[in-house]
Amino acid sequence: EAAVTQSPRSKVAVTGGKVTLSCHQTNNHDYMYWYRQDTGHGLRLIHYSYVADSTEKGDIPDGYKASRPSQENFSLILELASLSQTAVYFCASRGLGSNTGQLYFGEGSKLTVL
Amino acid sequence: GEQVEQRPPHLSVREGDSAIIICTYTDSATAYFSWYKQEAGAGLQLLMSVLSNVDRKEEQGLTVLLNKKDKRLSLNLTAAHPGDSAVYFCAVTNTNTGKLTFGDGTVLTVKP
Repeated sequence: EAAVTQSPRSKVAVTGGKVTLSCHQTNNHDYMYWYRQDTGHGLRLIHYSYVADSTEKGDIPDGYKASRPSQENFSLILELASLSQTAVYFCASRGLGSNTGQLYFGEGSKLTVL
Repeated sequence: GEQVEQRPPHLSVREGDSAIIICTYTDSATAYFSWYKQEAGAGLQLLMSVLSNVDRKEEQGLTVLLNKKDKRLSLNLTAAHPGDSAVYFCAVTNTNTGKLTFGDGTVLTVKP
């Protein structure tokens, strides 16, 4: 069974503080993604990676950094958290040879910035 | 970049009725088309996925239609039941970049 695990599942941060969201996958997948979901809205792509030690900007990268130190791990970093970054963040993975484009999602990390 | 529009944002149907959700996309270099379901407080689960060379796919009460000429993708739940109540998202995958772009979602409510 494909598995993507995120940590923490929930976090409260202060404005201006640093937040790191971690993602670990045991799928042996090449692609990993970070999306954010705001209440009542769809998922927007922040950063993604198709190989270790390399990351790509998604559609809304401003205010976020990403790190892919290994194939299994992909982190999202908020150096200076802001109120507008309160959201639920989803990590996902996908196999390079996938013939369906299927993403395997983590359970989400709820971030509240006060 | 890719633009995906999904409609309607909210859909309410009676049990046993059909529910149809439509997405339109802009990028011709789109390889995969998927539909996901998100239940309250959970992540997204894949319902069905089709390649760009498939026009129609049916599985377990779900029908996905792909019209490449009009760049339109649809999901039809042929006989909805209350357990289908959730948020549904379409997603398109770009062949060249591997990026997936999601629609904004449709909140489906199926009333008994």
